[in-house]
Amino acid sequence: DGGITQSPKYLFRKEGQNVTLSCEQNLNHDAMYWYRQDPGQGLRLIYYSQIVNDFQKGDIAEGYSVSREKKESFPLTVTSAQKNPTAFYLCASGREINTGELFFGEGSRLTVL
Amino acid sequence: AQSVTQPDIHITVSEGASLELRCNYSYGATPYLFWYVQSPGQGLQLLLKYFSGDTLVQGIKGFEAEFKRSQSSFNLRKPSVHWSDAAEYFCAVGPPWGNTPLVFGKGTRLSVIA
Repeated sequence: DGGITQSPKYLFRKEGQNVTLSCEQNLNHDAMYWYRQDPGQGLRLIYYSQIVNDFQKGDIAEGYSVSREKKESFPLTVTSAQKNPTAFYLCASGREINTGELFFGEGSRLTVL
Repeated sequence: AQSVTQPDIHITVSEGASLELRCNYSYGATPYLFWYVQSPGQGLQLLLKYFSGDTLVQGIKGFEAEFKRSQSSFNLRKPSVHWSDAAEYFCAVGPPWGNTPLVFGKGTRLSVIA
């Protein structure tokens, strides 16, 4: 079954710790994205990647980092520099950067205590 | 810069009633337009999309949307709402050129009452 897998679904961390969220896709898509979702804020773009070994900052990249070493994988690290990391994080992929359908994972909910 | 406005934060409709969710965009040209739906605690699923051509677009789950260039709008409609339609709905726009990701509106939460 093709799709996007995000893990973990729920994550609790202490303040000051870095956290890495996993995103894997087997859809053979070139483009991958990370969004942050907060109540009433919609989806805000953190980072995106159009091709392996390349990625660009989105609107709220500060305090986050990514890598794209493999086409299938686009992990997101929430660093201790992110001032308000508690949120719902969504990973998505698409065949092309803006003309095709985006396929979303089920999300990861991060709570920083 | 491109932007998407969904004026209604929350809408409540009765089961069986019709539904219209509003979406307005600001863009230099006609963008690609999308509607996505999100059930609680889940990812988003594409309902329908408009690239060009017929301005009335049919999607999944009985939804349709109409593109109105003069009003910069792409409103989502459904003639008869089912309780399972309760979810959050997001409008999104993307440029028909270049490599820029989609921009999403802030969403409209739909509640359905018996």
